[in-house]
Amino acid sequence: QITLKESGPTLVRPTQTLTLTCTVSGFSLTTSGVGVGWIRQPPGKALEWLALVYWDDDEVDDDERYSPSLKNRVTITKDTSKYQVVLTMTNMDPVDTATYYCVHRRAGGWYFDYWGQGTLVTVSS
Amino acid sequence: QSALAQPASVSGSPGQSITISCTGTSSDVGGYYLVSWYQQHPGKAPKLMIYDDSKRPSGISDRFSGSKSGNTASLTISGLQAEDEADYYCCSYAGSVTPVVFGGGTKLTVL
Repeated sequence: QITLKESGPTLVRPTQTLTLTCTVSGFSLTTSGVGVGWIRQPPGKALEWLALVYWDDDEVDDDERYSPSLKNRVTITKDTSKYQVVLTMTNMDPVDTATYYCVHRRAGGWYFDYWGQGTLVTVSS
Repeated sequence: QSALAQPASVSGSPGQSITISCTGTSSDVGGYYLVSWYQQHPGKAPKLMIYDDSKRPSGISDRFSGSKSGNTASLTISGLQAEDEADYYCCSYAGSVTPVVFGGGTKLTVL
């Protein structure tokens, strides 16, 4: 059974760096093509894809992809031994207030078949 | 502004069919067979309903179907039920550099 769970601060001050952790179970982070990503949703607004990391057998390395609008602020990394994927977002602003979801990407697919429950992050002074 | 265009709202009566459109470009929706659809009830995480344009995950009712014509994908829900009332989002692969784009979402109201 695949599960994902987000953890991190619920309140962040403007200009601070946000660090969110996604702890996964039921699958391996080293399986070729399997990915974990982050998607956020401001209150009352649409979903926005942020980043994705997956193991690329051809490159024998992790492959990371980022939303171009946030690429300069966002980093995604994974700790295989801890079954964790970490999202870091710098220079937080009130417009970054949102529910942040961790998602599972099936190998070879470009869709998200499992979602975490989400964690609400508020940016306020 | 979202990359994919969806109507803000649609409505239908129980038992009827409705269709939600999702319009993109030849660089995303029209360029690949990789559109997915998600259902989101208030306060809940989204749920995958359709992937690869028209495939249903295990456990998803066959009342939900996906299709595509050119740069526009569609989600059709037949035999509307009260529990179908939710927000629906389309999503498409958009190339190797920026692989994921979402639509702005459509609120479905069951009258």
